[in-house]
Amino acid sequence: DTAVSQTPKYLVTQMGNDKSIKCEQNLGHDTMYWYKQDSKKFLKIMFSYNNKELIINETVPNRFSPKSPDKAHLNLHINSLELGDSAVYFCASSPGLGTGYGYTFGSGTRLTVV
Amino acid sequence: SQKIEQNSEALNIQEGKTATLTCNYTNYSPAYLQWYRQDPGRGPVFLLLIRENEKEKRKERLKVTFDTTLKQSLFHITASQPADSATYLCALPRGWNYGGSQGNLIFGKGTKLSVKP
Repeated sequence: DTAVSQTPKYLVTQMGNDKSIKCEQNLGHDTMYWYKQDSKKFLKIMFSYNNKELIINETVPNRFSPKSPDKAHLNLHINSLELGDSAVYFCASSPGLGTGYGYTFGSGTRLTVV
Repeated sequence: SQKIEQNSEALNIQEGKTATLTCNYTNYSPAYLQWYRQDPGRGPVFLLLIRENEKEKRKERLKVTFDTTLKQSLFHITASQPADSATYLCALPRGWNYGGSQGNLIFGKGTKLSVKP
């Protein structure tokens, strides 16, 4: 029973393409996040959603568009992919915003843009 | 700006010794601090949370301290084992006066711990 699951695990695509990454959590958490981990392993927040509502867009290009159909799902759509988008993208969830609870992360999606 | 520094990129120790990892932060007074473990090819796993009014917290062989005067947290693993080898990340909630949503965790770059048998 995976708590936070992401698909696909690997994604290789050409520049200019549009792709989506899906995330689902079965923990009953209210808040979900997308993080990007670059080649230097630095983990940087991109978006957070609370009860399907976008809370923050952390200066991410508007080619990235998150969508939350319900509070258990947070998908990430990326338009016009660029080489610099190559990274590992992690979905995470927590019981609520700013509650101090630990985050539960998915296993990541490794995106390679060629 | 708000900064988190884990000043060792890598730490190598012998099995059985205590590993001590450091997390420093500047320009900020967080209400709590968290530590995570990340194995290669995996997402970070939450280990411990310590609040600003707590000096120390323990969980099995793990111990975390939080010194709000020094703006520093220390993460200790006692009786270390090769299975403890991983990257350890320190994380703080973003402060309200740095923009973005208060509470979103920001992470340090991590310290890669290697425990040799």
